[in-house]
Amino acid sequence: GAGVSQTPSNKVTEKGKYVELRCDPISGHTALYWYRQSLGQGPEFLIYFQGTGAADDSGLPNDRFFAVRPEGSVSTLKIQRTERGDSAVYLCASSFAGTSGLDTQYFGPGTRLTVL
Amino acid sequence: SQQGEEDPQALSIQEGENATMNCSYKTSINNLQWYRQNSGRGLVHLILIRSNEREKHSGRLRVTLDTSKKSSSLLITASRAADTASYFCAPDGGSQGNLIFGKGTKLSVKP
Repeated sequence: GAGVSQTPSNKVTEKGKYVELRCDPISGHTALYWYRQSLGQGPEFLIYFQGTGAADDSGLPNDRFFAVRPEGSVSTLKIQRTERGDSAVYLCASSFAGTSGLDTQYFGPGTRLTVL
Repeated sequence: SQQGEEDPQALSIQEGENATMNCSYKTSINNLQWYRQNSGRGLVHLILIRSNEREKHSGRLRVTLDTSKKSSSLLITASRAADTASYFCAPDGGSQGNLIFGKGTKLSVKP
């Protein structure tokens, strides 16, 4: 079946603008994760959804970042008033149940966000 | 929070040689996963090893886990140029299952 997909693959925006990044998880996966990866670093956890609810948003850096998953499938990561420091690759992953790490997380190709 | 620390940070070998990468972590885990990443894009899952397992194989990959030393290793045998990538270990001991990655090992396999 299809893997995790993310759109757009690249996004260039100006400082102060609003952006939305979309993630389509693998069908049937209840758990969905967002990570952010800066150059030379490993992915950094942002937020985790179990179904429609955010089970853990402790990785969101500040209140400019927000994510939703209204129907328990597609998720959108929203960034307000973008800053140059937000430039990174934003990765989405999904897993079947998300129960305490017993499930493999499958990653999408990422969205490369560049804030000018 | 849990985090895997990979060692070495960079490794350069010739095609055909074996590559060994190590990972250390701090607290108890349920499992540990290894991922590969090419060119800073999506991560490809390689192997998941559970805390009650000591060794696992997948093709040319062999992963070991020593929970007493809180360490894991990834061995790639008979390396190929296509194995050139960054490799990350991701231990998971948290209740929510989110993975905490280190900086990875950057492997370069020269033809």
